[in-house]
Amino acid sequence: QSALTQPASVSGSPGQSITISCTGTSSDVGGYNYVSWYQQHPGKAPKLMIYDVSNRPSGVSNRFSGSKSGNTASLTISGLQAEDEADYYCSSYTSSSTHVFGTGTKVTVL
Amino acid sequence: QLQLQESGPGLVKPSETLSLTCTVSGGSISSSSYYWGWIRQPPGKGLEWIGSIYYSGSTYYNPSLKSRVTISVDTSKNQFSLKLSSVTAADTAVYYCARRGARMAVAWVWGQGTLVTVSS
Repeated sequence: QSALTQPASVSGSPGQSITISCTGTSSDVGGYNYVSWYQQHPGKAPKLMIYDVSNRPSGVSNRFSGSKSGNTASLTISGLQAEDEADYYCSSYTSSSTHVFGTGTKVTVL
Repeated sequence: QLQLQESGPGLVKPSETLSLTCTVSGGSISSSSYYWGWIRQPPGKGLEWIGSIYYSGSTYYNPSLKSRVTISVDTSKNQFSLKLSSVTAADTAVYYCARRGARMAVAWVWGQGTLVTVSS
């Protein structure tokens, strides 16, 4: 199975909004509403930010939102803050009953 | 509150078998509402899903690792385990155990991870 495609890096100034894309196929992202997003700071375990395309776990800021159109999912961070600087990964359930992760995106707050 | 704790050797020799255990607290591994899984991350690289198990023992593996991976569950100890055989330096990674919802919230909640180095 191939990794989902994410941009290697995205940057923005404090207060701005940024969007990270996650492109797969009809066998994963496009076929199921089981896309999730994870934030990972250096040396730390990934943290769940969005599940089932657009749902936020308790405790996650409403500045984070998710969506999907066709085979591409997106994570939007609004009101960008310094603490949002991290690596972000998407993941999807697949038609083979497996899971696949994205290639990862480094978010830089300018 | 759910806690997942990985344990096992931090150093494994090439060609040997890597063995890790995940101890679950704050939740029952026998619940029909969840799957349990292993995910790894080589140093400086991205995440790779290794496999998942349901409390019934049903397993699902990454096709690229399937021939070398075994995941099992011990409901009496509230633990699940990973075995990866014939390891090479390419298997050096931080290994995470995690839980995901069975029918909703199909997303991973992670343990803290443990670094396993493959070296002679």
